[in-house]
Amino acid sequence: AQSVTQPDIHITVSEGASLELRCNYSYGATPYLFWYVQSPGQGLQLLLKYFSGDTLVQGIKGFEAEFKRSQSSFNLRKPSVHWSDAAEYFCAVARRQAGTALIFGKGTTLSVSS
Amino acid sequence: GAVVSQHPSWVICKSGTSVKIECRSLDFQATTMFWYRQFPKQSLMLMATSNEGSKATYEQGVEKDKFLINHASLTLSTLTVTSAHPEDSSFYICSARDSSSGGGETQYFGPGTRLLVL
Repeated sequence: AQSVTQPDIHITVSEGASLELRCNYSYGATPYLFWYVQSPGQGLQLLLKYFSGDTLVQGIKGFEAEFKRSQSSFNLRKPSVHWSDAAEYFCAVARRQAGTALIFGKGTTLSVSS
Repeated sequence: GAVVSQHPSWVICKSGTSVKIECRSLDFQATTMFWYRQFPKQSLMLMATSNEGSKATYEQGVEKDKFLINHASLTLSTLTVTSAHPEDSSFYICSARDSSSGGGETQYFGPGTRLLVL
């Protein structure tokens, strides 16, 4: 069965420090890959996505993610974290077929310390 | 970017009543919309896939008679929680698939509806 694993439930990073959030997936073939961010009580905002091509994907708010097929990973990175980045981050995958739903990881809570 | 709205954002109702939640894609057409449920501190769980002009596809364990979904147009899907009970209290989030994105299956999410059943 398809699954998405986000190994880190909660991460605390100092403001200005770099960030990496891990995501691994289990899938029969390379799926579409997404990272979403959710602030408390809010919906999800798309940070970035990977469909094909360059495996290093740039997103909004200074985030990037790298797809590594050999490791079935799609880790999210940011070189310098801002206090406003504190939120819940979800990695998600979707089958390469029209109309399929997303499968989400359990999420990683990011706290930013001053 | 693509915008999805949900209404209402908050609803409190008495046990046994029905509640309707609307999900609209504001600047694109969505042949497919999805309904998710999220419990506190947890991930999103897919409830059903809503296709315009056809019956919704429900995930295993989701009662289709309790959670009625209607996708009457390319920009509107509704979720009706019938005879709501306290255990139905949750955060309901919809998403709409922008099939015109040119890149595949990008979904845009609404801001969510928090339902509290007393």
